[in-house]
Amino acid sequence: EDQVTQSPEALRLQEGESSSLNCSYTVSGLRGLFWYRQDPGKGPEFLFTLYSAGEEKEKERLKATLTKKESFLHITAPKPEDSATYLCAVQAGHSGYALNFGKGTSLLVTP
Amino acid sequence: DAGITQSPRHKVTETGTPVTLRCHQTENHRYMYWYRQDPGHGLRLIHYSYGVKDTDKGEVSDGYSVSRSKTEDFLLTLESATSSQTSVYFCAISSVDSNQPQHFGDGTRLSIL
Repeated sequence: EDQVTQSPEALRLQEGESSSLNCSYTVSGLRGLFWYRQDPGKGPEFLFTLYSAGEEKEKERLKATLTKKESFLHITAPKPEDSATYLCAVQAGHSGYALNFGKGTSLLVTP
Repeated sequence: DAGITQSPRHKVTETGTPVTLRCHQTENHRYMYWYRQDPGHGLRLIHYSYGVKDTDKGEVSDGYSVSRSKTEDFLLTLESATSSQTSVYFCAISSVDSNQPQHFGDGTRLSIL
């Protein structure tokens, strides 16, 4: 059975304090690993897709990396507007089109 | 932003009543999905569609049915709502290749009393 585990559940950072969020997964036949950001009362907003171990993607203060067992979302010098819940999801070859989501990491960045 | 509209955005209803949620897209994407999001759980797939009149079940499909008579509309129906179906429901779409990212609507908050 596919499993996606995100840690920590919640993270509080000072503005400018860099950190990383973790997404560990077990899946047979990974087709893609997706990162989303979700603000309160909104739907998930797509950030990155990673397809193979060693791949990295960057966007502003965010950088996502992928190994065979986990993905990291690195946040460099975060700002209060980076506060949100960050969701990780995997898509496996055997499940067709479904995304299997982790429970998310709630990030709060204080001034 | 992907052109996805969910309606209604909020609904309160009683146990045993039928409920239909609508997802409308303007992107002409082939794939459409319904998820539910509950505290302590990740987003969970209810049903998905890979074309007009082509649908399949997801992880938590019991008690739900779907229909897609037009590319742009995907309906989720609770035939007889139960309190366990109180949740936030999200519609998502993705383009031709199924491992393209899914883009989400802003959700429908459904409360069943």
